[in-house]
Amino acid sequence: DAKTTQPNSMESNEEEPVHLPCNHSTISGTDYIHWYRQLPSQGPEYVIHGLTSNVNNRMASLAIAEDRKSSTLILHRATLRDAAVYYCILRDTSGGGADGLTFGKGTHLIIQP
Amino acid sequence: DVKVTQSSRYLVKRTGEKVFLECVQDMDHENMFWYRQDPGLGLRLIYFSYDVKMKEKGDIPEGYSVSREKKERFSLILESASTNQTSMYLCASSTGSAWATNEKLFFGSGTQLSVL
Repeated sequence: DAKTTQPNSMESNEEEPVHLPCNHSTISGTDYIHWYRQLPSQGPEYVIHGLTSNVNNRMASLAIAEDRKSSTLILHRATLRDAAVYYCILRDTSGGGADGLTFGKGTHLIIQP
Repeated sequence: DVKVTQSSRYLVKRTGEKVFLECVQDMDHENMFWYRQDPGLGLRLIYFSYDVKMKEKGDIPEGYSVSREKKERFSLILESASTNQTSMYLCASSTGSAWATNEKLFFGSGTQLSVL
């Protein structure tokens, strides 16, 4: 899977929007962009994924650059419960089969009250 | 909601012991995975299974084996535990035979294993 680059940490205030960036300049045409987050003392949980178009769900929005070399996870109104490590992962679906996801170090999001 | 259950939250074992970590999922998922997570290294894939009795090595399989006798259960085995296997172990499952557009991993809460 192609590599992603994320900031080590980010800080934001409660009830404000948060934009978490991810660079993936070597992304291929068949790579899906997945985001997971890991709350303290828990396993990672799925947040959102997309291929080319921007995506929205109840947890977040995913904005994908036109050239697909970067993406941004948007939390519209952060709460203290959103404090977590956020992982941006590329997944190549061209080969099929299940071989897990490669998690990098992610971005540690700190939310200030 | 999908539930992935790991048998123990905390486990303490001695060097040389045989250790079994158990994982059960309740959504009839074909694929199951074992990761370990260490500070500064992120999550690393140990083994995965895409069907009963099938297994594939991940990135760091050395010192581990796995067993999948039933679809819902995936066991990680440390044949002879060593101190460098002290870690957080995370089990996950996903549905489908291909990593398609709707595939998601569902994780358990993890087992913190300490090998003394």
